[in-house]
Amino acid sequence: EAGVTQSPTHLIKTRGQQATLRCSPISGHTSVYWYQQALGLGLQFLLWYDEGEERNRGNFPPRFSGRQFPNYSSELNVNALELEDSALYLCASSPQSRQGTTGELFFGEGSRLTVL
Amino acid sequence: GEDVEQSLFLSVREGDSSVINCTYTDSSSTYLYWYKQEPGAGLQLLTYIFSNMDMKQDQRLTVLLNKKDKHLSLRIADTQTGDSAIYFCAEMAAGNKLTFGGGTRVLVKP
Repeated sequence: EAGVTQSPTHLIKTRGQQATLRCSPISGHTSVYWYQQALGLGLQFLLWYDEGEERNRGNFPPRFSGRQFPNYSSELNVNALELEDSALYLCASSPQSRQGTTGELFFGEGSRLTVL
Repeated sequence: GEDVEQSLFLSVREGDSSVINCTYTDSSSTYLYWYKQEPGAGLQLLTYIFSNMDMKQDQRLTVLLNKKDKHLSLRIADTQTGDSAIYFCAEMAAGNKLTFGGGTRVLVKP
């Protein structure tokens, strides 16, 4: 069974540009999460999507946005890139139950964004 | 509020036991987790514990939870060189938000 896949693996942009990162969850998983792992700052929660809707959002400015498609894949968009947006962006998926979830997340290997 | 804290670094000799500690602040957390991140890779779930448990054992891994002190630990028995990685504890808070600690880098020396 394929795991969570992310693309691109690496992305280099300049300040002010826009970046789009993509994620395909494990088949059957309806929830997708995005995390930012900046050097020395641990993992910061960005966004949670489930069934096509944004369910929760971390403490990030509005220029971080995303969406989830009908096939449950997801995009993360970062507009007006700043140097401090350079980080590893990790996507994770989980099976979402209406009765709740154990919260186990399955992570992709990440997309490394470098802003010059 | 939510804040998960871990020590930054742990060095251990091969064959010894490793103990990684974590403190959290959100008493409403339902699940607590340990993830492992090897260089250049994503995070891999090692184990998790439900908040009404105080211990869980899974092969070489033992998780202890002290809910009163909001303290979580991961013990790795017979540590191997392949256990060298960054270990993150995490708590599941309201809104399905998984909050991670800063990670503990474990170095296993032969």
